[in-house]
Amino acid sequence: GQNIDQPTEMTATEGAIVQINCTYQTSGFNGLFWYQQHAGEAPTFLSYNVLDGLEEKGRFSSFLSRSKGYSYLLLKELQMKDSASYLCAVSSVSGGSYIPTFGRGTSLIVHP
Amino acid sequence: KAGVTQTPRYLIKTRGQQVTLSCSPISGHRSVSWYQQTPGQGLQFLFEYFSETQRNKGNFPGRFSGRQFSNSRSEMNVSTLELGDSALYLCASSRSSGRTGELFFGEGSRLTVL
Repeated sequence: GQNIDQPTEMTATEGAIVQINCTYQTSGFNGLFWYQQHAGEAPTFLSYNVLDGLEEKGRFSSFLSRSKGYSYLLLKELQMKDSASYLCAVSSVSGGSYIPTFGRGTSLIVHP
Repeated sequence: KAGVTQTPRYLIKTRGQQVTLSCSPISGHRSVSWYQQTPGQGLQFLFEYFSETQRNKGNFPGRFSGRQFSNSRSEMNVSTLELGDSALYLCASSRSSGRTGELFFGEGSRLTVL
């Protein structure tokens, strides 16, 4: 089975940097991705890591270590609009396709 | 291009009733997957359809079913509703089977079971 752990809630200050960690245990690993979900809205894709290392995309970066079953999402220069839930999801092979299993999400609160 | 469209956005049902939710994927996307989102359990995978065939099914009872039409539009049905079925039901589409990880979600159908 799949098991994904991420903190339930984090708080940070506008302009700061925050790191949201995600650990996982899975079989048939095919990649890890991060989604952002604002309250009352649909999740939106942020990043996808299939190889070890850091992927940078503007203010957001995502890191993966497959051997450790570990990933983090790094948000720099935090803005109030970054207050949202951040979902870590692991893609694994099942029945010939790739099924994402989502963590329960980390609610990030950015305050002035 | 138009995003993923889900209807209805909100609905209220009573225990024992059944409900059908609809999802129109982004044009050109052949894979449609469904998720249930609740505060306690997060996003849980229900099933995935690709070219009218169910490719995978999550760990939900048989009361939850779905189908996909030739135009890639999909419906999911929940029969004999229970209070615990109250949730946000999200549909997501992708070009293939989600290998690259990018799913495009609709805004969901919020179901309340009384």
